[in-house]
Amino acid sequence: EAQVTQNPRYLITVTGKKLTVTCSQNMNHEYMSWYRQDPGLGLRQIYYSMNVEVTDKGDVPEGYKVSRKEKRNFPLILESPSPNQTSLYFCASRTRPQETQYFGPGTRLLVL
Amino acid sequence: DAKTTQPTSMDCAEGRAANLPCNHSTISGNEYVYWYRQIHSQGPQYIIHGLKNNETNEMASLIITEDRKSSTLILPHATLRDTAVYYCIVRVPFGNNDMRFGAGTRLTVKP
Repeated sequence: EAQVTQNPRYLITVTGKKLTVTCSQNMNHEYMSWYRQDPGLGLRQIYYSMNVEVTDKGDVPEGYKVSRKEKRNFPLILESPSPNQTSLYFCASRTRPQETQYFGPGTRLLVL
Repeated sequence: DAKTTQPTSMDCAEGRAANLPCNHSTISGNEYVYWYRQIHSQGPQYIIHGLKNNETNEMASLIITEDRKSSTLILPHATLRDTAVYYCIVRVPFGNNDMRFGAGTRLTVKP
């Protein structure tokens, strides 16, 4: 089954404790991205990747890092989480050329 | 990417057709219209997309006006599980540009 998976689905952590949210897709998509969703602000892109070793900032990259060492994986790294990073996070990958985007199930993060 | 305007919310009776409008008056010639939906904090789900011809798939139909300044997503027989936020997005495919999600339309299907 074609899918995007994220882990963990739920996470409670404390300020400053490094964490990684994993994202993996099994569709051989070149393009992957991370979004955060907050009430009243909609979906905002954090980082995206056009291919292996090619990443770029989205609209709200501050406080986040990503890496793309393999085509299927695109982890999101929070080196020093802060309470304002409490949010619902979605990973997505995109087909070519139709550009239909597949989203993961989401990761709900609470930073205390 | 062109900006879209959608109603904030709509209701629909179960079993009836749900018609969700979207205005995109500044759409350019090479921009496609995409529709996604998000069911209660799940990841957004692709529904359908088109350039200028009407499109239909197993989920919905997309009607684009001749001048391409507006479109309508039609769910022919809405069910309670179609209750979701529906996003209309216009963009040029193949580029680096992001797929920008606005506020969407919150569709509530009522029994």
